[in-house]
Amino acid sequence: ETGVTQTPRHLVMGMTNKKSLKCEQHLGHNAMYWYKQSAKKPLELMFVYSLEERVENNSVPSRFSPECPNSSHLFLHLHTLQPEDSALYLCASSQFFSGSWYNEQFFGPGTRLTVL
Amino acid sequence: AQTVTQSQPEMSVQEAETVTLSCTYDTSESDYYLFWYKQPPSRQMILVIRQEAYKQQNATENRFSVNFQKAAKSFSLKISDSQLGDAAMYFCAYRYPQGGSEKLVFGKGTKLTVNP
Repeated sequence: ETGVTQTPRHLVMGMTNKKSLKCEQHLGHNAMYWYKQSAKKPLELMFVYSLEERVENNSVPSRFSPECPNSSHLFLHLHTLQPEDSALYLCASSQFFSGSWYNEQFFGPGTRLTVL
Repeated sequence: AQTVTQSQPEMSVQEAETVTLSCTYDTSESDYYLFWYKQPPSRQMILVIRQEAYKQQNATENRFSVNFQKAAKSFSLKISDSQLGDAAMYFCAYRYPQGGSEKLVFGKGTKLTVNP
């Protein structure tokens, strides 16, 4: 595997289900991101992890719970979602250097989530 | 607040011709980076071109070039000799440092159709 991978690619779940999205980066990066992409809206940053520590939480509802067990893996745990949470969820990674924040984010293919 | 505006929801171009996608942004920062990302129908977001705000020279990557007007806060993308594979959603993005990481703010995107 190369780059950033995400599983599953498609997920359909009911509002009472619990599921998890997985992201894995094979680039040796130390920062990972979750984005939500809804139709006709800009990409929304949800969470940022830098050196496995959450450094950004953009007022995301608690029904979304991220987990970053190591620098290569990022999870998004989902529970009691709403139909309006249906969207494409993108994971990205980058290399963050102290004192030099210029770096390119590499994106995964996304998970298409449908909440019934 | 930092915002990115793409005023053209859809654009079309004939194969081999040139098209320009517009982007404006709002910021009070002096140091930042600007990006154009491409998202083909397969959904994997990839970087097309980047521009450092402190550089006056416009960035160029093969058939892709930008017109960066810092005072006007404008960052347009020009695609020369358009190819069928250029058909995609194009997102303009602005990056600025925040705390221990950085934030990437996206526009809503422009859907580019390339006609044979």
